[in-house]
Amino acid sequence: NAGVTQTPKFRILKIGQSMTLQCTQDMNHNYMYWYRQDPGMGLKLIYYSVGAGITDKGEVPNGYNVSRSTTEDFPLRLELAAPSQTSVYFCASSHLQGFYTGELFFGEGSRLTVL
Amino acid sequence: DQQVKQNSPSLSVQEGRISILNCDYTNSMFDYFLWYKKYPAEGPTFLISISSIKDKNEDGRFTVFLNKSAKHLSLHIVPSQPGDSAVYFCAATGGSQGNLIFGKGTKLSVKP
Repeated sequence: NAGVTQTPKFRILKIGQSMTLQCTQDMNHNYMYWYRQDPGMGLKLIYYSVGAGITDKGEVPNGYNVSRSTTEDFPLRLELAAPSQTSVYFCASSHLQGFYTGELFFGEGSRLTVL
Repeated sequence: DQQVKQNSPSLSVQEGRISILNCDYTNSMFDYFLWYKKYPAEGPTFLISISSIKDKNEDGRFTVFLNKSAKHLSLHIVPSQPGDSAVYFCAATGGSQGNLIFGKGTKLSVKP
């Protein structure tokens, strides 16, 4: 099993550009999450989804959008990229128990630089 | 304000000795506490967790201790191995929003 797969792994954007980070999981998990990790900091929740068609904001949602049309996919959209969005982005998924206990399965991350 | 704090950015230990990583928290509503391990260029992987109703959980070489009165938890690795060298994140969760709160991480180096 591939687990949680993120693409691209690296990307450089110019200020004002837009892009989508892709995330797919093959574990049939209903719950999916996007986190960002800034240098020297812990991960912070951007958005999460409890199932297809349902998304909700996390701690740092500004500047991002998400959609969840299928159980497998949870893309993260960056509109009008800003230098403050330079970060490493992690997608994660979990089953129901993990939603409450915090046991998540993470992808390898996508490193985004905005210049 | 940080709800989960790891005050030691790094820790160096000799192979075979004990590694003790510490974590403090401020939110008494947290239900579960976890440790994640992260290698460079990889995502975090779940290592061990403990429920707020317990004070100790053990899994092989890894033991997590929870002191609720002090709002403190620790991860013990015995014996430490070079392959344990990684960044360890303390995390906590509580309530229904599925928001896992992470500390800043402690980089553990185990020297052969």
